[in-house]
Amino acid sequence: DSGVTQTPKHLITATGQRVTLRCSPRSGDLSVYWYQQSLDQGLQFLIHYYNGEERAKGNILERFSAQQFPDLHSELNLSSLELGDSALYFCASSGQKANYGYTFGSGTRLTVV
Amino acid sequence: SQQGEEDPQALSIQEGENATMNCSYKTSINNLQWYRQNSGRGLVHLILIRSNEREKHSGRLRVTLDTSKKSSSLLITASRAADTASYFCATETWSDYKLSFGAGTTVTVRA
Repeated sequence: DSGVTQTPKHLITATGQRVTLRCSPRSGDLSVYWYQQSLDQGLQFLIHYYNGEERAKGNILERFSAQQFPDLHSELNLSSLELGDSALYFCASSGQKANYGYTFGSGTRLTVV
Repeated sequence: SQQGEEDPQALSIQEGENATMNCSYKTSINNLQWYRQNSGRGLVHLILIRSNEREKHSGRLRVTLDTSKKSSSLLITASRAADTASYFCATETWSDYKLSFGAGTTVTVRA
């Protein structure tokens, strides 16, 4: 157990639907990052939140949104799902100090049918 | 777009042999990190090397960093079957607040 909890582990949904992925960071970590991993695109950075504020945005589609709540857990919302959104979605967290590695969750495998 | 590129894409070695993989990146970095991913599972942080460091060791892992060539290498010594995984380099810059990953090297250790 890495300390980063992601739910659900697996999700199968139909095109056009909306899903919410949840992440609880490691205790004490203020930063949460979301990544998408697919066979053709590799690991793509989506978004970073620090203590509730958006800090950096990557290749995140307009159909996707995220937020970090006061208790520091984060949610990634994916809407109007397309077949190409099928991927592994990872959440990672890190502490306040620089030059430390990220702790990744075990991911949510999303399949859009 | 990805910051790092690993080489080779895939590597197959016999148990007990050493495995070496390389990573090249494009911009100036704060640090470079290596992660391991077992099939379809989460990434595990292996080692971090700062931009002012040239070499670092952790157990059977040895990482080098050459900032003039914008490249790094990861050496796994005396490999074991349990080392079979994908290995990713990732870079963190001073301004980006994120890790940028390469495409990874898939390592297969044959018993």
